[in-house]
Amino acid sequence: SQQGEEDPQALSIQEGENATMNCSYKTSINNLQWYRQNSGRGLVHLILIRSNEREKHSGRLRVTLDTSKKSSSLLITASRAADTASYFCATKGGANNLFFGTGTRLTVIP
Amino acid sequence: DAGITQSPRYKITETGRQVTLMCHQTWSHSYMFWYRQDLGHGLRLIYYSAAADITDKGEVPDGYVVSRSKTENFPLTLESATRSQTSVYFCASSGSAGGNQPQHFGDGTRLSIL
Repeated sequence: SQQGEEDPQALSIQEGENATMNCSYKTSINNLQWYRQNSGRGLVHLILIRSNEREKHSGRLRVTLDTSKKSSSLLITASRAADTASYFCATKGGANNLFFGTGTRLTVIP
Repeated sequence: DAGITQSPRYKITETGRQVTLMCHQTWSHSYMFWYRQDLGHGLRLIYYSAAADITDKGEVPDGYVVSRSKTENFPLTLESATRSQTSVYFCASSGSAGGNQPQHFGDGTRLSIL
């Protein structure tokens, strides 16, 4: 399977702390994406990192990619209660689709 | 407003009935996808479409039928609903294939089959 696996499955932190989530995958990729899902809502795209990139930033988000280890991490700095959500990594599946991991459930305590 | 909308948001039906979930996007994206989300399984692809009148199976297509007569619509039909099809269903669209561009998701249909 090319499915990504997020780690940890659940994470609980205090507001203002940093949150780090990891994703491992099994096969070579062209790029990797991270998504957020708030409770009862659809997934929202956060960031796409290409295989020739090692790090990418977007606001308080920092994504790293290590293709030699087949892993990626998502760092959320200075977390807020509004960051409470599930976070998924996604890698290209077959010719036309994405495979999603099972997600990390982040809880930020005010 | 541009976006992707799913209807209904909630549906309760009985085993053996046919049910259709609707998906409509306003971006004119070529690609559209149907996923189901279940605890412990993450998102699993049911069917996808590369363009009008072009559809293909995903990871878990059994028991589902799709059609795409217009670019903006991609309905999903459960021909004879079973309890194992109780799930949350998400529709998504994208401007290109695979993971080259983001996918944009609707807010889902929560389907319960009694």
